[in-house]
Amino acid sequence: SQKIEQNSEALNIQEGKTATLTCNYTNYSPAYLQWYRQDPGRGPVFLLLIRENEKEKRKERLKVTFDTTLKQSLFHITASQPADSATYLCALDSTGTYKYIFGTGTRLKVLA
Amino acid sequence: GAVVSQHPSWVICKSGTSVKIECRSLDFQATTMFWYRQFPKQSLMLMATSNEGSKATYEQGVEKDKFLINHASLTLSTLTVTSAHPEDSSFYICSAPPAGGISSEQYFGPGTRLTVT
Repeated sequence: SQKIEQNSEALNIQEGKTATLTCNYTNYSPAYLQWYRQDPGRGPVFLLLIRENEKEKRKERLKVTFDTTLKQSLFHITASQPADSATYLCALDSTGTYKYIFGTGTRLKVLA
Repeated sequence: GAVVSQHPSWVICKSGTSVKIECRSLDFQATTMFWYRQFPKQSLMLMATSNEGSKATYEQGVEKDKFLINHASLTLSTLTVTSAHPEDSSFYICSAPPAGGISSEQYFGPGTRLTVT
């Protein structure tokens, strides 16, 4: 069955460092991969989209890579700040119809 | 960015009653909206796709007679949880993609916390 894995353990990093979050998937061939930020008790907020034919996408301090051979996406936040503390979700879609499958998310805590 | 609102933000109801949750796109039209459910420490699970002017399509395992969806206009979709039970207690979130997009950015509502006692 299709499976998306994100590190369920919280990731604690020091302010100013680069945070790297991982999204691995199996039995799936996504055409689109998205990353979202979710704060407690709130809906997800879209951050970045990367397509299967793209290796890397950047937006300000954020960078996403997509390796379809390894079946993995990495999400980087450079110069991290305490305000970046949240849960980050990856989501995959193979059909182009917004029927995304979400990972369980990784909780990031940036320490001041 | 575009804004999606949900109402109410939280609701407590008694077992056996029905609850309606509204999802509105405030500054754009949405012919399609999606309803998700999220249990604590779990991922978002797509429940159904709401289509303006036609019937909703439900994901496997989601009871269409229990979760009634009505997409009354290009800016409003409602989810009614009928005969709610404690196991229906969850965080319900809607989303709406911009018109004409293909799996690009989509906008999520703030969510509705449902507690069934």
